[in-house]
Amino acid sequence: AQKITQTQPGMFVQEKEAVTLDCTYDTSDQSYGLFWYKQPSSGEMIFLIYQGSYDEQNATEGRYSLNFQKARKSANLVISASQLGDSAMYFCAMRVGSGNTGKLIFGQGTTLQVKP
Amino acid sequence: DSGVTQTPKHLITATGQRVTLRCSPRSGDLSVYWYQQSLDQGLQFLIQYYNGEERAKGNILERFSAQQFPDLHSELNLSSLELGDSALYFCASSVSWGKAMNTEAFFGQGTRLTVV
Repeated sequence: AQKITQTQPGMFVQEKEAVTLDCTYDTSDQSYGLFWYKQPSSGEMIFLIYQGSYDEQNATEGRYSLNFQKARKSANLVISASQLGDSAMYFCAMRVGSGNTGKLIFGQGTTLQVKP
Repeated sequence: DSGVTQTPKHLITATGQRVTLRCSPRSGDLSVYWYQQSLDQGLQFLIQYYNGEERAKGNILERFSAQQFPDLHSELNLSSLELGDSALYFCASSVSWGKAMNTEAFFGQGTRLTVV
């Protein structure tokens, strides 16, 4: 079954420190995509970073990096130099499907709180 | 701004009523996805349309229906509403994924539905 698991319901991090949000996935597809989205308290879903299953390098986008370990089926999000504005819910998602048919499967999310 | 527009932002209605949620995708995006986010169920995929055709179906109730019009905007119709339908409903759009696994889905700001 295709599934995303986020085992950390809530996390705390001190401002300016780095934090890792865990994500494991399950799929039998050879080709898939992994995404992280941020949902602040205002509710919108903001795309952060993407990793393709064939990408050999870990994805990075500014302070965000994705620690992709294919053999372990994990795609952890690393946020460096945390800021107060990083306090939000974070969702890991996997794209499944092929051609023009597809969807994102989401994990249950991790609430991150950044302490000043 | 993701470029995806959802209206209305908030909706309060009574049980048994029918409502229509509207979504305008990003310019050029042919795929539209609907998601329901509730506290107990997380983000649940409801349905996908591609260029006017239904392509994938998730956990969408029979009381719910959707369509995508020739101008690519989409509507989600919810009828015989129950208290448990109260949730945040997201629309997302993307270009044709095809072989481009790294195309993220851009989310609208959501419609918060409250059934009383």
